[in-house]
Amino acid sequence: AQKVTQTQTSISVMEKTTVTMDCVYETQDSSYFLFWYKQTASGEIVFLIRQDSYKKENATVGHYSLNFQKPKSSIGLIITATQIEDSAVYFCAMREGGVGDNSKLIWGLGTSLVVNP
Amino acid sequence: EAAVTQSPRNKVAVTGGKVTLSCNQTNNHNNMYWYRQDTGHGLRLIHYSYGAGSTEKGDIPDGYKASRPSQENFSLILELATPSQTSVYFCASGARTGGTYEQYFGPGTRLTVL
Repeated sequence: AQKVTQTQTSISVMEKTTVTMDCVYETQDSSYFLFWYKQTASGEIVFLIRQDSYKKENATVGHYSLNFQKPKSSIGLIITATQIEDSAVYFCAMREGGVGDNSKLIWGLGTSLVVNP
Repeated sequence: EAAVTQSPRNKVAVTGGKVTLSCNQTNNHNNMYWYRQDTGHGLRLIHYSYGAGSTEKGDIPDGYKASRPSQENFSLILELATPSQTSVYFCASGARTGGTYEQYFGPGTRLTVL
């Protein structure tokens, strides 16, 4: 069965440092897509970055990047030069790409990040 | 300009009453989704749709119905609301094919059932 696990429930860091949030996933599919979302204090859920399983290069968008370790079924989110406004809950999600109903996302429970001044 | 909107943003309902939550998207996405979010449970899928006229059961459909009258609109209906349905509800849209696999979310509706 598909599953996404975020083991860190909360992380606290100092501003301008780098933080890594962990996510491991389970899937039987050879093709899948991995996503990270951010939920702000106002409740808004925003798509941040995506990794396609067939791509070897780690995705990067702005100060977000991914550490994709396919043999370990792991997709870490790295935020460099953190800012106060990065304080939020971060969700990892997976979508399978094979035959069948692949429209759904499987979600982790989230990691709360607090960035301190 | 917001591509996924929800109404109402806040709703207080009475037990046994009927509640309709509405969602509109201008992304021209085929797929639309309804989730609820509760502390400790993350995002849980209630119903989703592949296009106008289609609705599919998600992981927790009991007590909810859905309606997709058009590409742009997707409603979640609570025929007989119960206090256990107090939650924050999110609508999302996503493409089914074409390389865009992520979902885009509305701002959420906070529902309180008394």
